Amino acid sequence: DTEVTQTPKHLVMGMTNKKSLKCEQHMGHRAMYWYKQKAKKPPELMFVYSYEKLSINESVPSRFSPECPNSSLLNLHLHALQPEDSALYLCASSQDYREPQFFGPGTRLTVL
Amino acid sequence: DAKTTQPTSMDCAEGRAANLPCNHSTISGNEYVYWYRQIHSQGPQYIIHGLKNNETNEMASLIITEDRKSSTLILPHATLRDTAVYYCIVRPDNFGNEKLTFGTGTRLTIIP
Repeated sequence: DTEVTQTPKHLVMGMTNKKSLKCEQHMGHRAMYWYKQKAKKPPELMFVYSYEKLSINESVPSRFSPECPNSSLLNLHLHALQPEDSALYLCASSQDYREPQFFGPGTRLTVL
Repeated sequence: DAKTTQPTSMDCAEGRAANLPCNHSTISGNEYVYWYRQIHSQGPQYIIHGLKNNETNEMASLIITEDRKSSTLILPHATLRDTAVYYCIVRPDNFGNEKLTFGTGTRLTIIP
């Protein structure tokens, strides 16, 4: 298995909802990442997990809560989001911090 | 992090070589040059990376100048499926700098 999978592909949620985005890889990669991409903009890093520990948080609001249950899985828990949080959420993984990152297809999130 | 400068857009005829330039005049000795591309609404795709020497893989070639202040990504025989935004990124090779800082990239259009 040489890919990063993300579920769901699309998500619509209200501002009071709680939802989760899921990312999975079975390449034995030990670093996993969340990026956010607004329309017509480049991706921007949110979080990095290295060996299942949070190593970078790019000052992301607490309404986004990452979780790394094991080395293959990365979740992003969403609560009380705002309409401006609507974006494509991308997950990536790499062998370790020095190696190229491989991205999943993304989850397109719409907050109403 | 070193900054990169890329043309906003380029066209290339199908079947020809596409040469995408990137300037990174403030690159440091431990920073690698990475290239990614993003086809509309998909996750970024890793293409190639290098430090000093020229690199080639099944997708592309990367030519880095001797002073490392610029590089060129070469797609040898462009096809319509190569139409995408191409990002040139420089990234240090040390822990704590795992993030990819995407610029605005070059929008490459392959013309039939």
